[in-house]
Amino acid sequence: EAQVTQNPRYLITVTGKKLTVTCSQNMNHEYMSWYRQDPGLGLRQIYYSMNVEVTDKGDVPEGYKVSRKEKRNFPLILESPSPNQTSLYFCASSLSPGVWAFFGQGTRLTVV
Amino acid sequence: SQQGEEDPQALSIQEGENATMNCSYKTSINNLQWYRQNSGRGLVHLILIRSNEREKHSGRLRVTLDTSKKSSSLLITASRAADTASYFCAGDNYGQNFVFGPGTRLSVLP
Repeated sequence: EAQVTQNPRYLITVTGKKLTVTCSQNMNHEYMSWYRQDPGLGLRQIYYSMNVEVTDKGDVPEGYKVSRKEKRNFPLILESPSPNQTSLYFCASSLSPGVWAFFGQGTRLTVV
Repeated sequence: SQQGEEDPQALSIQEGENATMNCSYKTSINNLQWYRQNSGRGLVHLILIRSNEREKHSGRLRVTLDTSKKSSSLLITASRAADTASYFCAGDNYGQNFVFGPGTRLSVLP
């Protein structure tokens, strides 16, 4: 089954403690992206990747890092999380740019 | 980047009625897409309309696009309780930058 898998689904952490949210897709898609969703603000793109070792900033990249060492995986790294990064995070993948057809189920992150 | 904006923010209708949601955006787009999200879960891609198309149908969904007004509408006909969700539009500006509006919350009452 074609899918984008994020882990963990829920995470509560403390300010400053590094964390990684994993994202994996099984469709051999070149394009992957991370979004955060906050009430009243919709989804905002954090980072995206066009292929292995090719990444670029989205609208709200501050405080986040990504890597794309393999085509299937696109982890989101928060080196020093802060409470304003409390949000619902989604990973997406796509066969072509600008058509984000597959989303993961989301990771609800709380930073206290 | 560009911001999409859906209108209304919330819509409540009876089962069987039609639901219309609108989306406006600020700059040129290559395509516009509509998504559905059930209660904080992942987004489901509903339909894509390209900038050279004016109308598109998929089952009970009808999408229109007016590039001169920078707006789109999503019509769901004969709504069902299972259509209760948030609906988002997102535009692609010939690249990867793809911004979603805050969405329309649709409630379909039995």
